[in-house]
Amino acid sequence: EVQLVQSGAEVKKPGESLRISCKGSGFSFISYWINWVRQTPEKGLEWMGRIDPRDSYTNYSPSFHGHVTISADKSITTAYLQWSSLKASDSAIYYCARRDTLTNYPDLWGQGTLVTVSS
Amino acid sequence: DIVMTQSPLSLPVTPGEPASISCRSNQSLLYTNGYNYLDWYLQKPGQSPQVLVYLGSNRAYGVPDRFSGSGSGTDFTLKISRVEAEDVGVYYCMQALQTPFTFGGGTKVEIK
Repeated sequence: EVQLVQSGAEVKKPGESLRISCKGSGFSFISYWINWVRQTPEKGLEWMGRIDPRDSYTNYSPSFHGHVTISADKSITTAYLQWSSLKASDSAIYYCARRDTLTNYPDLWGQGTLVTVSS
Repeated sequence: DIVMTQSPLSLPVTPGEPASISCRSNQSLLYTNGYNYLDWYLQKPGQSPQVLVYLGSNRAYGVPDRFSGSGSGTDFTLKISRVEAEDVGVYYCMQALQTPFTFGGGTKVEIK
């Protein structure tokens, strides 16, 4: 089955680090950009950045650049989103989503990971 | 960043009737290859967003043909020819022409 499966919900304190994952299966992982999207009630959907798992080339939104790191391990078909120092404002649902590098077909999203940052 | 503006914010619909959502960008989304880099997504309650239309007018696999996307440049429309109860949720447009990709604010579709 073609799917993107994300890691489970997290509860963290401000200042803590965190890495969440997105594992692809049933398709050629290196044929797709993996995008990360944040969803909050206040700001809706926000595109954070993307990675090409072939060579780990990344694009970041200026709004998130420097605060998060996107990485991927193509050998285990997994992409990651990580923070070194969380803020309360990072509380959100985070989605990964694939987009075909050749056709630009954006057809699959993960189920989402809820991150709660609270003291 | 490209700014995406959707309207209306809320759309009460009657099953069987048509519905239309507008999305405008402050820059043209038409690329040199002739494609408009504009996607439409539906987020049903409690679910992840799912693609309905990509590159302006290409219906995604498995999406019912009552959904259609049109427009070019800066003005785009998603039309539902006959709304069904399962179509409720929040609809988003997103530009994928240039990073950072940006979303519209969403249109909540609900049954009257």
